Amino acid sequence: DARVTQTPRHKVTEMGQEVTMRCQPILGHNTVFWYRQTMMQGLELLAYFRNRAPLDDSGMPKDRFSAEMPDATLATLKIQPSEPRDSAVYFCASGLGLSYEQYFGPGTRLTVT
Amino acid sequence: KNEVEQSPQNLTAQEGEFITINCSYSVGISALHWLQQHPGGGIVSLFMLSSGKKKHGRLIATINIQEKHSSLHITASHPRDSAVYICAPNFGNEKLTFGTGTRLTIIP
Repeated sequence: DARVTQTPRHKVTEMGQEVTMRCQPILGHNTVFWYRQTMMQGLELLAYFRNRAPLDDSGMPKDRFSAEMPDATLATLKIQPSEPRDSAVYFCASGLGLSYEQYFGPGTRLTVT
Repeated sequence: KNEVEQSPQNLTAQEGEFITINCSYSVGISALHWLQQHPGGGIVSLFMLSSGKKKHGRLIATINIQEKHSSLHITASHPRDSAVYICAPNFGNEKLTFGTGTRLTIIP
């Protein structure tokens, strides 16, 4: 049963600390998305990759967020330094591109105190 | 500007009722996704459609490209259908724009 996995599932950290979230897309999927969900803003796209190359990261605060795909089986989202306003659930999703559905991971619930 | 509107925001119905959730968008799209988010937080893709109608079990999704409108229907609703349903159009690229969601509660 192929699925997207994310680690950690929960993270509590103090303001100023670095946070790294990881995502393993479904094998064979060439497009990976990072989303953030908050009560106020709902779901919003942070960044996405095609064949490991970043195609759009306009949704990310550039000064503190970075997203990478070191290889086809791993996508990372880093926040440095973290701030309380970064508290949210971060979802990773993968798919085969524009005309295909996206498969979501279980999310990482981040709390920054 | 790419805008998405869903209605209703909240819907409570009795088990067995026919449910309709609506989604309207402002400009042309290449495809539209319907997502389901369970109370536990997980998100599942229900449908991706660019024209016409799709059906999976008791769920039916329709889209009218000319009217820029899509609907999600649930027949014979069940308490396990209780979730948030989110409409997400693709405005010509691979980036989804998300509606605010419809919170559905089915009472036994």
